Formats: sequence, C-alpha cells, structure tokens
Amino acid sequence: GAVVSQHPSWVICKSGTSVKIECRSLDFQATTMFWYRQFPKQSLMLMATSNEGSKATYEQGVEKDKFLINHASLTLSTLTVTSAHPEDSSFYICSALLGYEQYFGPGTRLTVT
Amino acid sequence: EDQVTQSPEALRLQEGESSSLNCSYTVSGLRGLFWYRQDPGKGPEFLFTLYSAGEEKEKERLKATLTKKESFLHITAPKPEDSATYLCAVQGRIMYSGGGADGLTFGKGTHLIIQP
Repeated sequence: GAVVSQHPSWVICKSGTSVKIECRSLDFQATTMFWYRQFPKQSLMLMATSNEGSKATYEQGVEKDKFLINHASLTLSTLTVTSAHPEDSSFYICSALLGYEQYFGPGTRLTVT
Repeated sequence: EDQVTQSPEALRLQEGESSSLNCSYTVSGLRGLFWYRQDPGKGPEFLFTLYSAGEEKEKERLKATLTKKESFLHITAPKPEDSATYLCAVQGRIMYSGGGADGLTFGKGTHLIIQP
C-alpha cells in the first residue's frame, strides 16, 4: 500500500522549453501532495505544497511562475518547469500525504541542455 | 526556521557491527519526526514516524528513538542490504493560515555502507 509513481523517470530537454512531470498516488487518495528538489549529495528541499482543487503554496525563493503546479484530482499532481535552464537540472521528487505520513515517488531526473 | 542536522555524514561498518545514527533538530512545535531510507537515484522510502519524546519504534534491524532535541536510528547486526542513505526529517507547526499540512524539513542524511 501507499504507492506513489512519477512520470517520466528521467527527461532531457533543451534550454527554453517546458517540461511536465506527473505524480500519482496509485492506491490511495491524496488531498495534499508535495514537490521537492534534490541536488547531488544534498538534502531534499521543499518547493511547494499542492492541495487538490486550490492553488499551490510555494516556499520562499521558489518562482511560482516558473514551476507551475496543478492538483486537479485526488490522485494526480503535475509540476511544469517552464522555460527551463541548465540550473534547473535536478532530481525532482513528489510525495503524497496519507494520514500524517508522506510517501514519496521514485523521482524524476531532469537534465536541461 | 526548522533545522535538522544529521551525523555522521558517512559511516562504514562491517556486517554485524551495530551502531547508531544521530539526528539533531530545532523546530517550533514538533508535529512529527520521520526517518526515511533512500537508495541512489530513488525516492525516499518511509521507515518511521515519532511524535513525542520517549517514543520508540522498531522494524527488523532498525530502532528509532526520540528525545526533545534529537533522534537516534539504531541499527543492530546490519547486513550489506542495509547500505543506503538514511534521512531524518521534521514537521513543525503549521505556518499557513489556510491550514493543511506543511512539508518536511530534511537533514542531509547519513550515507551508510555495510561491508560483507
């Protein structure tokens, strides 16, 4: 139980293009999902909190116009990186809240060339 | 601002050699302390949640404990398959007026290697 998937698992895109990452809770409904970013040998950093049916809440320093989040259903949240640049290359991980615990997806490796 | 510090950064043990990983934290109103395991290139795998000082939880060779300032993850007689990065995270007081759950503040993790 409590399985979270992400798609794609890895993506390479050119600078200036947009990329969409999907996060799905497969066997439970999640009103709240989270998006994190992890740079090599660094900790996970919370980017935003995604609530079904309402606007996402972004952490300080995260550009909401650059990282668009949509939580249109109780099992799906999407993160779109708009006008991607090489510095956006990172490992993006989502989590879904079940009770008081967060269950994480396998992550998406984004490389911007 | 919530802070989590894990030590050591890396730990190499022989198979069967027990040890402990430390997680020190500062948080305004602890709602939960979480331990995760992360394998290279993968998302964190949930291990434990601790809510109050004095609480302990066990799972196979792992045991997590909590005080008001720190948490320990004890690993007893580890095996090579226990090699991973172990992450500690805290959830503090809800900050947003609209309610709902906050995300987690993570430490940098302890990279554990168990040699056969």
